Amino acid sequence: EAQVTQNPRYLITVTGKKLTVTCSQNMNHEYMSWYRQDPGLGLRQIYYSMNVEVTDKGDVPEGYKVSRKEKRNFPLILESPSPNQTSLYFCASSLSGGLPTTDTQYFGPGTRLTVL
Amino acid sequence: DAKTTQPPSMDCAEGRAANLPCNHSTISGNEYVYWYRQIHSQGPQYIIHGLKNNETNEMASLIITEDRKSSTLILPHATLRDTAVYYCIALSTDKLIFGTGTRLQVFP
Repeated sequence: EAQVTQNPRYLITVTGKKLTVTCSQNMNHEYMSWYRQDPGLGLRQIYYSMNVEVTDKGDVPEGYKVSRKEKRNFPLILESPSPNQTSLYFCASSLSGGLPTTDTQYFGPGTRLTVL
Repeated sequence: DAKTTQPPSMDCAEGRAANLPCNHSTISGNEYVYWYRQIHSQGPQYIIHGLKNNETNEMASLIITEDRKSSTLILPHATLRDTAVYYCIALSTDKLIFGTGTRLQVFP
């Protein structure tokens, strides 16, 4: 089954403790992206990747890192999490390595992160 | 990317057609209109997209006005499982910009 998977689905952690949220897709998609969703602010893009070893900042990249060593994986790294990073996080992927203007994005199930 | 405007909420009776409007009066010629929906706190799900012509797929129909300044998503026979937040997006660059969408409540 074609899908985007994220792990963990739920995580409660403390300020400053490094964590990684994994994202994997099995559709051979070139484009992958991370979003966070907060009440009243909608979905905002954190980072995206057009292809392996190519990553770019989205709208809210501060406090996050990503890597794209393989096409299927796009982990989100929080080196020193803070309470303002408490949010619902979504990973997404799409086929095109260029502009996904006629290309749909597939979203993972979400990771609910709480930083105390 | 053009800004889109949607009503914050709508109700629809089960089995009836749900017509969700979207205003995108500043849309440019190369911007597609995309619709996604998000059920509860699940990941957004693609529904349909179009540029100029009306489009239909197994989930919905998309009607775009001739001047492209507005569009309507039609769910022909709404079910309780269609209760969700529906996002209309005008897209020309490499990222989706989600607004606050329309919360559709389908009732029995």
